[in-house]
Amino acid sequence: EIVLTQSPGTLSLSPGERATLSCRASQSVTIRYLAWYQQRPGQAPRLLIYGASIRATGIPDRFSGSGSGTDFTLTISRLEPEDFAVYYCQQYALSPYSFGQGTKLEIK
Amino acid sequence: QVQLVQSGAEVKEPGSSVKVSCKASGGTFSNYAISWVRQAPGQGLEWMGGIIPIFGTAKTAQTFQGRVTITTDESAHTAYMELSTLRSEDTAVYFCARLAYDSGSYYFDYWGQGTLITVSS
Repeated sequence: EIVLTQSPGTLSLSPGERATLSCRASQSVTIRYLAWYQQRPGQAPRLLIYGASIRATGIPDRFSGSGSGTDFTLTISRLEPEDFAVYYCQQYALSPYSFGQGTKLEIK
Repeated sequence: QVQLVQSGAEVKEPGSSVKVSCKASGGTFSNYAISWVRQAPGQGLEWMGGIIPIFGTAKTAQTFQGRVTITTDESAHTAYMELSTLRSEDTAVYFCARLAYDSGSYYFDYWGQGTLITVSS
């Protein structure tokens, strides 16, 4: 089983700042099997990034993904008010197709 | 536009079973796998299992093996997740999600709205 560990657990930033979220896998994950999701309170998750770095349709270009092997990063270049939410990484390389525990991005 | 619409919230007694439905519209249902993901109150996301309608074979996480059954009704464009022997720890929001494939990548592109299952006596 692949365990995904996200850090930090909570990130407190102000609108306009840059956010860097980390996702570390317990074993190597092929980049095409790594995705990122955003979840706002009371809503279903929304796909942001797949293949580690490919933005999903309609996702603003302030969101970017990078990384390989066991270390992956989601970067939000300039935070907008609607970006404050919980972010999850997820792997589809090996069943069970696990999620990280999430990073909560909160307004400072 | 693809939509996944799930059945409504339910309250179940410990030891009973629950069956949640997920009806798809706006896409080719049979060609896409459907997975089930649950989220306990205040917690993260947990993949439970999935099924490819055209093949009808399901894969479930070891944690749920023996308790979860995932099926589809292709004619109704609907997937189902049945969880048995419910316990209080199964109280959660259950989501269905469509698995997409693009350029060698797999990801969940569409999600249902979620179904709250409360297990309580």
